[in-house]
Amino acid sequence: EVQLLESGGDLARPGGSLRLSCTASGSYFSSYAMGWVRQAPGKGLEWLTGISGDSDNIYYADSVKGRFTVSRDNSKNTLFLHMSSLRVEDTAKYFCGRDLMFVPAATFVFWGLGTSVTV
Amino acid sequence: QSVLTQPASMSGSPGQSITVSCTGTSRLLGGYNYISWYQQHPGKAPKLLIYDIKKRPSGVSDRFSGSISGNTASLTISGLQTEDEADYYCSSYTTATTSGVFGGGTRLTVL
Repeated sequence: EVQLLESGGDLARPGGSLRLSCTASGSYFSSYAMGWVRQAPGKGLEWLTGISGDSDNIYYADSVKGRFTVSRDNSKNTLFLHMSSLRVEDTAKYFCGRDLMFVPAATFVFWGLGTSVTV
Repeated sequence: QSVLTQPASMSGSPGQSITVSCTGTSRLLGGYNYISWYQQHPGKAPKLLIYDIKKRPSGVSDRFSGSISGNTASLTISGLQTEDEADYYCSSYTTATTSGVFGGGTRLTVL
């Protein structure tokens, strides 16, 4: 079974930057789209971004477009989320997820345990 | 406030069936969109229960089923068990706009 492990969550100041990582176990990492979802304390889930297996298709929620950048390194089975111009409202637990398909469909079969960001 | 509307809370007794609704626009729930349902226990990561409206991933109990009628997607849980007490989220990924959205979530209490 695929396991995902996020890291990089930390305390940041408004306007600051952070980079989150998500490392996947198992094979075929490049065969699937990946994405990030966050959950503010006591709130619901929010889809943030999806990236196709070959990084050719990348999509963002309006709430993070222009501030967050998703990327992946298939040689290292790792997904990244570079977060800049951080706002207080970005405070949340950030989950990475492996999508069902090669292209983003926000259908996350596997999830990490999450990493916390406090702004 | 999410563009996918779910009841904030529901409750049921063990053995009963319950249906969680998820209402949105035709743009979100109509056409060729990816509609999913997730279960989340407190402090845990979400778990995919239903995808493509009514398909179940391997290992998910057949007590969980999905359907859609018009602009309302539904998750039905039959034979409620105490371990079903959790938050449930619907999700839609719209290929037309290449964006995903979650419903606000429904907290299910099994009395």
